[in-house]
Amino acid sequence: DAKTTQPNSMESNEEEPVHLPCNHSTISGTDYIHWYRQLPSQGPEYVIHGLTSNVNNRMASLAIAEDRKSSTLILHRATLRDAAVYYCILAGGSQGNLIFGKGTKLSVKP
Amino acid sequence: GAVVSQHPSWVICKSGTSVKIECRSLDFQATTMFWYRQFPKQSLMLMATSNEGSKATYEQGVEKDKFLINHASLTLSTLTVTSAHPEDSSFYICSAKGQGGFWETQYFGPGTRLLVL
Repeated sequence: DAKTTQPNSMESNEEEPVHLPCNHSTISGTDYIHWYRQLPSQGPEYVIHGLTSNVNNRMASLAIAEDRKSSTLILHRATLRDAAVYYCILAGGSQGNLIFGKGTKLSVKP
Repeated sequence: GAVVSQHPSWVICKSGTSVKIECRSLDFQATTMFWYRQFPKQSLMLMATSNEGSKATYEQGVEKDKFLINHASLTLSTLTVTSAHPEDSSFYICSAKGQGGFWETQYFGPGTRLLVL
């Protein structure tokens, strides 16, 4: 399965934008880039996903590099509730299995 | 987004007993369901993938006779931990996705915390 590389942790101030990077240099042409986040003692929550084009939804934006070897999750205005572990995952294969890495632990300071 | 529930949310059992965890998709039909396990301060580890009406596909290193998975309907999958031991204590999370294809979004349940004494 293709792997991703993310920083272990990041800090942000409340109400400021946050850019969470992800490298996936071995991505294949059919792999979708998914982002999930997990709060303590909860199941992961879907954030956004994309294939080639940048994507926006009510939670976040996903910027995908032209060569697809990296992507950035953008939270436009961080809130305290956005403090979580963010996982960047490549989903592929016949079942679209999600293989979780270690993710980035985002801390948000008031 | 779609809702996935798990029951129970936590369970304590004695060593040697079996525990069943249910995973339900509440507002969509889940062609495929996944079971994960997460130990403290670690990431989620995929245990198995199940398709409705078919036998589950287990990841390498996961004992299929110990972790029995049944996906009898499009809205329900169960994980039974047989003869549980303290090392099976973990946070078990299921996810489900619909019939759109491999790119379809997975929706996760809230997790079940198992403690084996």
